[in-house]
Amino acid sequence: AQKITQTQPGMFVQEKEAVTLDCTYDTSDPSYGLFWYKQPSSGEMIFLIYQGSYDQQNATEGRYSLNFQKARKSANLVISASQLGDSAMYFCAMRGFSGSGNTGKLIFGQGTTLQVKP
Amino acid sequence: ETGVTQSPTHLIKTRGQQVTLRCSSQSGHNTVSWYQQALGQGPQFIFQYYREEENGRGNFPPRFSGLQFPNYSSELNVNALELDDSALYLCASSFSGRALDTQYFGPGTRLTVL
Repeated sequence: AQKITQTQPGMFVQEKEAVTLDCTYDTSDPSYGLFWYKQPSSGEMIFLIYQGSYDQQNATEGRYSLNFQKARKSANLVISASQLGDSAMYFCAMRGFSGSGNTGKLIFGQGTTLQVKP
Repeated sequence: ETGVTQSPTHLIKTRGQQVTLRCSSQSGHNTVSWYQQALGQGPQFIFQYYREEENGRGNFPPRFSGLQFPNYSSELNVNALELDDSALYLCASSFSGRALDTQYFGPGTRLTVL
């Protein structure tokens, strides 16, 4: 079975500093994708970054980077130069491909609430 | 802006009623997935539609059903509403039914069951 674990229910960071949000995963699928989404209080789930299991390099998107350590089954999100608008809930998610077909679904963690202090 | 739209934004129903939620996928996307997000939890997969066919289903009872139309928009229907159905319902679209395609979410519909 697939599982995503986010062990930090809440995090604080000072504006302009970097912050790392932890994510570990478990899957037996040979190929999978890891995603991070941001959910502000408005509710919309905003896609941030994607890492494929066979990608050789860590993904980066602007101020977001994904620290992918396949052997440790971790996919931590790093946000550099935090801004007040980064305050939100952050979800790590995984989608697997078993080879017998498209599994279709994203498995989400419980989320981490990030608060950026001025 | 993701391009995925959902309606209505908010909805209040009473136990036992039926509800229909609607989703328009992003331009060029042919796959729609539905998720239920209870307060303080991560989203849970309900089902996915790819080219008008159900393409995977989560652990939800048959009273949760769906449709996808030729223009790839989609409906989620819930019959015999229960109090625990109160949640944020999120729709996501992707370019295809491939497992590793990124899903882009709409703003959600907040359903309250009294």
